[in-house]
Amino acid sequence: DAGVIQSPRHEVTEMGQEVTLRCKPISGHNSLFWYRQTMMRGLELLIYFNNNVPIDDSGMPEDRFSAKMPNASFSTLKIQPSEPRDSAVYFCASSLTGASETQYFGPGTRLLVL
Amino acid sequence: SQELEQSPQSLIVQEGKNLTINCTSSKTLYGLYWYKQKYGEGLIFLMMLQKGGEEKSHEKITAKLDEKKQQSSLHITASQPSHAGIYLCGAPPARNTPLVFGKGTRLSVIA
Repeated sequence: DAGVIQSPRHEVTEMGQEVTLRCKPISGHNSLFWYRQTMMRGLELLIYFNNNVPIDDSGMPEDRFSAKMPNASFSTLKIQPSEPRDSAVYFCASSLTGASETQYFGPGTRLLVL
Repeated sequence: SQELEQSPQSLIVQEGKNLTINCTSSKTLYGLYWYKQKYGEGLIFLMMLQKGGEEKSHEKITAKLDEKKQQSSLHITASQPSHAGIYLCGAPPARNTPLVFGKGTRLSVIA
């Protein structure tokens, strides 16, 4: 299996621009997670989907952030408009069924907002 | 909410030496996961512990969960440069909830 696939791997953008991050979970996995990692705050959960339905989005920082999962093999995390403080590494992870199971992480998208 | 404290924050050891990383929870753990992260890469799953007193090993890495299920340790025997990276512990704050993670322990192994 190819594992969790994320794109792009790196993104540099200017403040105010829209940013879209993409994720393809492991085939057959029913749960998908978006995390953000920074030096100051570590790894934080942004949102969690189960069977394509958002279950917990309490970690989404502001209305500027939105996430969708239109089908079992694709999810997006969008930031509009982006701000310098959004600079971080964004990870997507998936697990076979539930939230508390082993999560398998993608390589991450390193975002820099200038 | 559950917090996971990892210690030490960073560690530099000489190749061939043993080392231990700790992860302490403010609440009883429903399960404890150890991951390793190399710079610029995602987290790689190492081991999962669930029962009090449980111990698992993979190659030269051993993880233990204490009887009270509030602390876990990760022990590396005869460290090698390939062990370098960031080690993170993660645990669900309640049943069927996503993992929360510690801040990680940065390990460097020098020749």
